[in-house]
Amino acid sequence: DVKVTQSSRYLVKRTGEKVFLECVQDMDHENMFWYRQDPGLGLRLIYFSYDVKMKEKGDIPEGYSVSREKKERFSLILESASTNQTSMYLCASSLGYQETQYFGPGTRLLVL
Amino acid sequence: SQQGEEDPQALSIQEGENATMNCSYKTSINNLQWYRQNSGRGLVHLILIRSNEREKHSGRLRVTLDTSKKSSSLLITASRAADTASYFCATDAWDAGNMLTFGGGTRLMVKP
Repeated sequence: DVKVTQSSRYLVKRTGEKVFLECVQDMDHENMFWYRQDPGLGLRLIYFSYDVKMKEKGDIPEGYSVSREKKERFSLILESASTNQTSMYLCASSLGYQETQYFGPGTRLLVL
Repeated sequence: SQQGEEDPQALSIQEGENATMNCSYKTSINNLQWYRQNSGRGLVHLILIRSNEREKHSGRLRVTLDTSKKSSSLLITASRAADTASYFCATDAWDAGNMLTFGGGTRLMVKP
């Protein structure tokens, strides 16, 4: 079974803090994704990576950066957290872009 | 931007009844997938249907795809309380860079 894990289920941070969300997958998938999910807006793609050290912007990359130093690990970084980044963050991985995506359990981030 | 739009946004039924959710999309697609999300958790893949397929079954799930109407439906037969979740369709299309684009979801409640 594919397993995607995220470093935290719940996180509370203060405005201006630097925040790291980590995601690890164990299936040797090439592609990894970060989404945020907000009520009424569905899932929106922040960034994705198709290989180690490679990254592409998604629909809403502003205020975020990512890092993929190892194939199994994809980190999302909020350089200076703001209250409008309070959201549910979901990580996913897949073998190909069009293939099934396997999701982690999500991190619910609250920025105060 | 959302490619798929689910309908209805919310659905409440009794255990044992069938639940039908619809997804409409705007442009030609390669594949369409359905995912389930239990409250506060990550998404779980249910079924993938390719653009040249019209119907697919998996257990109590039946998915249809009508490319002429740019729509798909997910039917859950003999629903159970454990089917209570949000259901999302996701499409990938050549003009969206072959990336998965998720709809806003249908919230299904199955009452015991």
